[in-house]
Amino acid sequence: DVKVTQSSRYLVKRTGEKVFLECVQDMDHENMFWYRQDPGLGLRLIYFSYDVKMKEKGDIPEGYSVSREKKERFSLILESASTNQTSMYLCASSYFRQGTSGANVLTFGAGSRLTVL
Amino acid sequence: QKEVEQDPGPLSVPEGAIVSLNCTYSNSAFQYFMWYRQYSRKGPELLMYTYSSGNKEDGRFTAQVDKSSKYISLFIRDSQPSDSATYLCAIVSGGGADGLTFGKGTHLIIQP
Repeated sequence: DVKVTQSSRYLVKRTGEKVFLECVQDMDHENMFWYRQDPGLGLRLIYFSYDVKMKEKGDIPEGYSVSREKKERFSLILESASTNQTSMYLCASSYFRQGTSGANVLTFGAGSRLTVL
Repeated sequence: QKEVEQDPGPLSVPEGAIVSLNCTYSNSAFQYFMWYRQYSRKGPELLMYTYSSGNKEDGRFTAQVDKSSKYISLFIRDSQPSDSATYLCAIVSGGGADGLTFGKGTHLIIQP
């Protein structure tokens, strides 16, 4: 089974702190994603990456950055955490290759619940 | 237009009942249709996916797609308390790796 591992399940940070959320997948997937999930708003795509060192903005990239230096690892960075970034953050990966047929089936990690005070 | 509508619930039914969960979508370019299940404090996990109109069965679960009406459903037969979770529909428009739109999820409660 594909495993997507998020290093921190629960974090509490203070406003203005720099926050790193780490995600590792073990099945050589091409694509990796960061979503946030909030009650009433559902899943919203922050950033995704379809290759090492490549990144693409999702629907809500403001206040976030990402890094993908190795294929299996995708990091989400909050340069200066704010209270409105308190949320559940979900990392996902998929094998889907651009330009091919087939469904982009995502495998998710267990999530990182971030509280910013 | 990327939009998928899903009733957030909660939907509460007694154990053993047949459950119907639904999503509507507006973009006829959507090609693949998925259902994810998410237990409390966990990440979503893929339950089923299909790309054609009609029904697809997997045990107690049936996914139904009606492309002419832009309507998808997930039916759960003989519902169990362990089915209590949030169910998210997800629809793929093809194209890039970001061509995936999620519904907001329906919170389902199966009462023992």
